[in-house]
Parts: sequence; structure tokens; C-alpha cells
Amino acid sequence: EAGVVQSPRYKIIEKKQPVAFWCNPISGHNTLYWYLQNLGQGPELLIRYENEEAVDDSQLPKDRFSAERLKGVDSTLKIQPAELGDSAVYLCASSPSPGGTEFFGPGTRLTVL
Amino acid sequence: AQSVAQPEDQVNVAEGNPLTVKCTYSVSGNPYLFWYVQYPNRGLQFLLKYITGDNLVKGSYGFEAEFNKSQTSFHLKKPSALVSDSALYFCAVRGTGGYNKLIFGAGTRLAVHP
Repeated sequence: EAGVVQSPRYKIIEKKQPVAFWCNPISGHNTLYWYLQNLGQGPELLIRYENEEAVDDSQLPKDRFSAERLKGVDSTLKIQPAELGDSAVYLCASSPSPGGTEFFGPGTRLTVL
Repeated sequence: AQSVAQPEDQVNVAEGNPLTVKCTYSVSGNPYLFWYVQYPNRGLQFLLKYITGDNLVKGSYGFEAEFNKSQTSFHLKKPSALVSDSALYFCAVRGTGGYNKLIFGAGTRLAVHP
């Protein structure tokens, strides 16, 4: 069974530029999560989707971050414009149902210069 | 509020010796507890979880964890460490009674020396 797929794996951009991350969850997993992992810390939830609906986006900085999951499968997380403090690893995870075991992708390491 | 504490930034163990990585938690209601491992430049890999039942949970790669309700702990253990176990380990907790998000500890780096 294929795991959670993320791309790109690494991204280097200059501040004020836009950036987007893509995630394909495990087949059949209706719940999708985006996490932020800063260096030396555990992941923190940014947003959770149930199918195509964002049911918990309370931790998403909505002034510059946006996310979508239009068809309830793939998801995209966008930052516009990026700031130096956005340098981190962005992890995508999926689970078969809300509260189920979450399985993580390899992450996208973002560096903002 | 939910929280997780991993009191050790790093644990050093000699290969072949038993290892313990500590985790304590605070949550309302009964906890769902998880351990994940992260290798360099990789995502988190699920190791094991406690939902209910037997306090000793067995997981992947020979790891196990013991749930202790009175001490609100969920320590990760392995009887004989391997050099390949060297990685970053995260404990996570989710409260019950409606949906609650997964809260992660800061992680513990395990270094197994030959």
C-alpha cells in the first residue's frame, strides 16, 4: 500500500515569494492533516480536512496561509507571501477516520532566504 | 488542555542494552497515546498506540510501551537496542470525548552506540 506522498521534498525561496506544497493521502483515507514542524519541536496541526471540508483550521495563519482539498483527495497548502519565520518542515498526514491513527508523509522542508 | 512532556532531550544507550524513552501526558478524559519515530529527512513513522485494554502495548521493530494511568505516563521501551534504532522519537496524546487533535511532545533523540 502506498503511503502519503508529498512534493516537493525541498524548497528554497526568497522572502515575499509564494510557495505551494502538494499532498496525496493514503487511498481511502478521508481525513487529511497539514502539520508544521519547527526545528527541535514536535509537529503542530495547521488544518484538518474531512473529505473536502476544512473542519479545523483554527491554527492556520489565514493572512498568508491557505489550503484546499477540492475533490476530497489531494490537497495543496499555500503560503503567500512567505516570511523568514516560515522556514520549517511541512508535514501531511492522513487517517481512515477522524481520531484514527495518523500516517505521515516525508514532509517538505522549506527554507526562506 | 492537553499536553505531552518528554523530559529527556537525548537518551544514550549502548547497543544490546535495554532502552527507555519517557513520556508523561495531561489530558481530559481517557487518553489515546501514540509513539512515532522520525529518521533524518523522513516523515514520522507510526510505532504503536494505546487506546484501551492491556497496559503493555507491543509495536513495530520490537518496541513496546507501558501505559500507567496513575502516573500519567506512557514510556517507550525495547529490551535490546540496535544502532539502527538511533532516531528522534515523539510521544503524542489525544483526549477522548469528541474529536481532539493530536498533541506531540518535543521529541527525544535516541543515540545507540556500538
